[in-house]
Amino acid sequence: SQELEQSPQSLIVQEGKNLTINCTSSKTLYGLYWYKQKYGEGLIFLMMLQKGGEEKSHEKITAKLDEKKQQSSLHITASQPSHAGIYLCGADSGDYGGSQGNLIFGKGTKLSVKP
Amino acid sequence: DSGVTQTPKHLITATGQRVTLRCSPRSGDLSVYWYQQSLDQGLQFLIQYYNGEERAKGNILERFSAQQFPDLHSELNLSSLELGDSALYFCASSVEGDSYNSPLHFGNGTRLTVT
Repeated sequence: SQELEQSPQSLIVQEGKNLTINCTSSKTLYGLYWYKQKYGEGLIFLMMLQKGGEEKSHEKITAKLDEKKQQSSLHITASQPSHAGIYLCGADSGDYGGSQGNLIFGKGTKLSVKP
Repeated sequence: DSGVTQTPKHLITATGQRVTLRCSPRSGDLSVYWYQQSLDQGLQFLIQYYNGEERAKGNILERFSAQQFPDLHSELNLSSLELGDSALYFCASSVEGDSYNSPLHFGNGTRLTVT
């Protein structure tokens, strides 16, 4: 069963527009991770959120973890073609009764930015 | 560049064959993880090693095995290959043995095609 739900599955935006990607967990999380993947390449670590209400930013990307620690959003301001890729959220499998130390991932959100 | 090195980048082989995928973790990282990514299943955790010892097991088939050597590099062995084993195989590494304190850093993957 899918324990991390991402929405939307895909997104096409015009360059310069803002966008939000959501990640919802069926359980309270100890930590939530955001990664970006270019097609056919490795995952690039973006941010890790651990505290309820925490918000982190890197360049034009901001991620938040809600107070209940069950939902996270990734917001991109003034999108650029370089933002295109697949965004994945991940959480430690220990939060779902699995072995600690490895991450489970959502299915990903595919972002396309039209110039 | 994440600092995680995977070889080879591409591998094409026939059904029934055996292949070995190699991973060198980032300098100083003790933990190595193997993931399989396919279009239908997404990113699936296979197995984790920490400082040479198996730490956690995920959805790894019995035909697959892995090990981590004293110099901390790791190999994933896939045998009796089937068409369905075609996928991107990622290696990731982290400093600690659990993702709570240290995020995973991914290599660029090995694309395996079984014909």
